Amino acid sequence: AQSVTQPDIHITVSEGASLELRCNYSYGATPYLFWYVQSPGQGLQLLLKYFSGDTLVQGIKGFEAEFKRSQSSFNLRKPSVHWSDAAEYFCAVGARGGGADGLTFGKGTHLIIQP
Amino acid sequence: NAGVTQTPKFQVLKTGQSMTLQCAQDMNHEYMSWYRQDPGMGLRLIHYSVGAGITDQGEVPNGYNVSRSTTEDFPLRLLSAAPSQTSVYFCASRTDASGGIQETQYFGPGTRLLVL
Repeated sequence: AQSVTQPDIHITVSEGASLELRCNYSYGATPYLFWYVQSPGQGLQLLLKYFSGDTLVQGIKGFEAEFKRSQSSFNLRKPSVHWSDAAEYFCAVGARGGGADGLTFGKGTHLIIQP
Repeated sequence: NAGVTQTPKFQVLKTGQSMTLQCAQDMNHEYMSWYRQDPGMGLRLIHYSVGAGITDQGEVPNGYNVSRSTTEDFPLRLLSAAPSQTSVYFCASRTDASGGIQETQYFGPGTRLLVL
């Protein structure tokens, strides 16, 4: 069974500083990988996803993520954070093979932006 | 398009009461699912459906029933609510069940449920 680990429960970053959120996954083959963002009181919004090909994927809101097979990681990055980036971030993995598999989510990282 | 809508936004129940959480989507998506979100647990899949008349269990199905009589609607029923079901519930949908997980899932805004 697949699993996702987000080692950091909380991260505090100053506005304008760079950001990296860590995600490690466990899966027997190359998985589908996702990053979602959840603003307070809101549902989840997809930031980016990786299926195959270029291991550096670009997403919305200036985010990017890099798939590293050797490290089983899919870390999310942003060069300069804005106060509006304060939110909960979830990494998720989905099984390949089609069908009706759901997503397996990490427990989330809460991002705090300092002025 | 309204996307994925959920009602109610908030609900308080007493132990043993029943209720139905509503979910609807207007994108003609085949696949719909229900997740629950608990602090420090991320989201966990409760039930899912690959089309009208077809449902299946996810990771945490106990205490919940679902049905899918139309493509648009996927209600989640709590037959006898328990405090352990206090959570935030999210409904999600994606385009094509046969296309697999690579299709983008769209999430509703959530229903906050408190069971006393």
